[in-house]
Amino acid sequence: QLQLQESGPGLVKPSETLSLTCTVSGGSISSSNYYWGWMSQPPGKGPEWIGFTHHSGTTYYNPSLISRVTISVDTSKNQVSLRLTSVTAADTAVYYCVRRPVGPHEPFDYWGQGTLVTVSS
Amino acid sequence: DIQMTQSPSTLSASVGDRVTITCRASQSINSWLAWYQQKPGKAPNLLIYDASSLESGVPSRFSGSGSGTEFTLTISSLQPDDFATYYCQQYNIYYTFGQGTKLEIK
Repeated sequence: QLQLQESGPGLVKPSETLSLTCTVSGGSISSSNYYWGWMSQPPGKGPEWIGFTHHSGTTYYNPSLISRVTISVDTSKNQVSLRLTSVTAADTAVYYCVRRPVGPHEPFDYWGQGTLVTVSS
Repeated sequence: DIQMTQSPSTLSASVGDRVTITCRASQSINSWLAWYQQKPGKAPNLLIYDASSLESGVPSRFSGSGSGTEFTLTISSLQPDDFATYYCQQYNIYYTFGQGTKLEIK
């Protein structure tokens, strides 16, 4: 059974960098069939797409975040990571690790349980 | 950006009812639409993809229809486990979600 487990600090100060890691179990992040990425969900709102990456290096980011976000994979640890720089209170959200099948038009078929990150001094 | 608008925002219904949720896109998205169910404190769960295809393991009382800019999610006979928030999501150009429909017990 595929499992995605997010981890990282629950509190980040404004202007600092948010860093999260997702550990994948029950499946290989090196699979050619899937992208791995991140979603955020601010309190009381719908999810928002951050970006996703393939182990080959192909990466797609939300254009509204492209100047602040980096998503990368560590195949040796079966992990995908998120870095979001210069955070503000608007970045307070539950962050989900997600899987997307490879293909031109695909939804996100697996989600981790999510981790709440609060941006506050 | 493609905007997704769901209606209603809140829906009150009873066990056994047939309910329909509507999702409208600001431009044509062909059939590149998914529906997710989310319960409090949990991640969204994929129900329907490509507007009308049922994800594996999802009960057949859930169905989706539509193409272009108008889509619907129908639950044929509400069960107690179905009371949750439902989101539509387009994946024609990047990804955007609707604001959600909260399905409440009447």
